Amino acid sequence: EPEVTQTPSHQVTQMGQEVILRCVPISNHLYFYWYRQILGQKVEFLVSFYNNEISEKSEIFDDQFSVERPDGSNFTLKIRSTKLEDSAMYFCASSTGGAFFGQGTRLTVV
Amino acid sequence: LAKTTQPISMDSYEGQEVNITCSHNNIATNDYITWYQQFPSQGPRFIIQGYKTKVTNEVASLFIPADRKSSTLSLPRVSLSDTAVYYCLVGGLYTDKLIFGTGTRLQVFP
Repeated sequence: EPEVTQTPSHQVTQMGQEVILRCVPISNHLYFYWYRQILGQKVEFLVSFYNNEISEKSEIFDDQFSVERPDGSNFTLKIRSTKLEDSAMYFCASSTGGAFFGQGTRLTVV
Repeated sequence: LAKTTQPISMDSYEGQEVNITCSHNNIATNDYITWYQQFPSQGPRFIIQGYKTKVTNEVASLFIPADRKSSTLSLPRVSLSDTAVYYCLVGGLYTDKLIFGTGTRLQVFP
């Protein structure tokens, strides 16, 4: 069964450092998303991406965040200068009529 | 985006059928209903999606009445491994984003 894969599964970074979270969406999917989930809280929408551009973003997705699809298979989320409050699980999803999620990257900012 | 309301929690015993109902009074004409399952520290897992009447797959059934203002996820003969949080989401098939609520925490007891 096709699946969304995310790397790394866990990343620890120092406050102020840049991190890049990577995702390989399901190959024939056209819509890509990033979500995050702070421990014990709801899954929150960050950004959606379609046709090589951002189609919608939430208020969480400020100038510190960016997304890119550098080639035909990868979809990345960059956080330019991490803050303690960025610590969360980050989920990538892809869709062509029903969104499928990856297993997430646990980001810990220290 | 249609708002959804689900019970916060439900308890069941192994082998029983579990029905989780979701209310979505302001569902739009082009909205679909999708259910996800989430285990701790894992990504949401797509369970089932439907537009109207009944949809069944190998793990669940989804019942949608004619007015589509609610839907019921039915899990036949639950096991301990079905203990998880279940989310009901409503949105277009090719939606820019999915909005997660707090979900229903299902606890299955032996």
